[in-house]
Amino acid sequence: NAGVTQTPKFQVLKTGQSMTLQCAQDMNHNSMYWYRQDPGMGLRLIYYSASEGTTDKGEVPNGYNVSRLNKREFSLRLESAAPSQTSVYFCASRRESPEAFFGQGTRLTVV
Amino acid sequence: DAKTTQPPSMDCAEGRAANLPCNHSTISGNEYVYWYRQIHSQGPQYIIHGLKNNETNEMASLIITEDRKSSTLILPHATLRDTAVYYCIAPTYISSGSARQLTFGSGTQLTVLP
Repeated sequence: NAGVTQTPKFQVLKTGQSMTLQCAQDMNHNSMYWYRQDPGMGLRLIYYSASEGTTDKGEVPNGYNVSRLNKREFSLRLESAAPSQTSVYFCASRRESPEAFFGQGTRLTVV
Repeated sequence: DAKTTQPPSMDCAEGRAANLPCNHSTISGNEYVYWYRQIHSQGPQYIIHGLKNNETNEMASLIITEDRKSSTLILPHATLRDTAVYYCIAPTYISSGSARQLTFGSGTQLTVLP
């Protein structure tokens, strides 16, 4: 099992460019999450999805959109990247158990 | 989520027990306490969870006070590889489904010293 896979691992964008961060899990989990982590800070929840077809805003949703394409995939889109969105982005998934599984992160720099 | 408070940093000698405290005085009766850790920019890793009884697994022990207002994560024999940021979380169910909104604070940076 691959667990939670995020692509790409690294990305540099210019201000105003758009991109989509991909996340896929192979554990048949219902819930999926997107977090961002700024240097020296804890993780902040951007969006989450309780099940296929549903998404909800987290703590810091502005500037982002998400799509729960199917049960496996949960993508995060930046429509017009800004330097303030420079961060490490983590995707996570879980079923009913308390254990959430995290991907290895996407390191995004917006210049 | 119930608010949790942790010290920003702690040191522990290798081979000794590491005791990481967490205050969660606003926790309600149906909220579990979860612990995760994050080793140097990797994705967070689940450690343990509990409601009101003490819990133990292969990684750690969790001691929850009788009033449930605080808990302590215990790593019985800390190694250098246990150096990480440890997060104490008390998530709650949300109305739109079974997804619990896991909110991570700043955590405790544990440094295990040789």
